[in-house]
Amino acid sequence: QTVVTQEPSLSVSPGGTVTLTCGLSSGSVSTGYYPSWYQQTPGQPPRTLIYTTNIRSSGVPGRFSGSILGNKAALTITGAQADDESDYYCVLYMGGDIWVFGGGTKLTVL
Amino acid sequence: QMQLQESGPGLVKPPETLSLTCTVSGGSISSSSYYWGWIRQPPGKGLQWIGSLHYSGSTSYTYYNPSLKRRVTMSLDTSKNQYSLKVRSVTAADTAVYYCARQSGDYWAYFDSWGQGARVTVSS
Repeated sequence: QTVVTQEPSLSVSPGGTVTLTCGLSSGSVSTGYYPSWYQQTPGQPPRTLIYTTNIRSSGVPGRFSGSILGNKAALTITGAQADDESDYYCVLYMGGDIWVFGGGTKLTVL
Repeated sequence: QMQLQESGPGLVKPPETLSLTCTVSGGSISSSSYYWGWIRQPPGKGLQWIGSLHYSGSTSYTYYNPSLKRRVTMSLDTSKNQYSLKVRSVTAADTAVYYCARQSGDYWAYFDSWGQGARVTVSS
C-alpha cells in the first residue's frame, strides 16, 4: 500500500520561510493527485488551507502557498508567524475513490 | 453556512460496535456535488481517512479505506440530513477522535468543512 510521506517535524524562525512537502513512498506526486493541505492546532478540527495543489481556501492568508516541487507537493509559508505553529497534513487523491492522509508535520516557530 | 456535528457514545466496549452520526446543516446531504467523509485521529497520532459516501440519482455510494473495509459500514439518511458510521469488533486501537467532513472539488479531493469531532474511547 502506498504511503504518503511528510517531514515529521520542521522549525522556522518568525518572519522566515519554510516549505513542507508531501511525497509518495513509491512514485511522484503530480497535480493529478489533487493535493490539499490542512492546519491543525491541539484540540481543534483541521482547517483547510490549500486545495487542488495551489488554491487557497477562503480566508487563508496569502503567506500560505501550494505547489509541486520536484516529485512532491509542497506547502510554503512565507513570513511565518507565531500562530503558524501547528500540525500540518496533506491529503492525496489516489484514484478509485481513495484518499490518503500524510503522517503530518509538526511545525515549530522559534 | 455549512455545519457538521458528530454525535454518539463516548465509550464503547470491545468487541462491540462503534456507532456515530453526523448531522449536516446549511446544505443538503442529497446534493450530488459533494461527498461526505469520516476521518479519525488516535490520541497523539495523525489523521486517517475511514470512508466516504456520495448520493446521486436516488442511490448512495460508499467508499472505504481498504485497511478498514471489513469492519466499517456507512450510510446516509436524507430525510434527517444525516449520515452514519459503524465500526464493528472494536479494539483499543479504534480509540480516536472521529470527524465528519464534506468533500468538494475535482474528484471530491479535498475536505472543505469539518465537524468539531467526537471522542470515542474503546475500553472494557
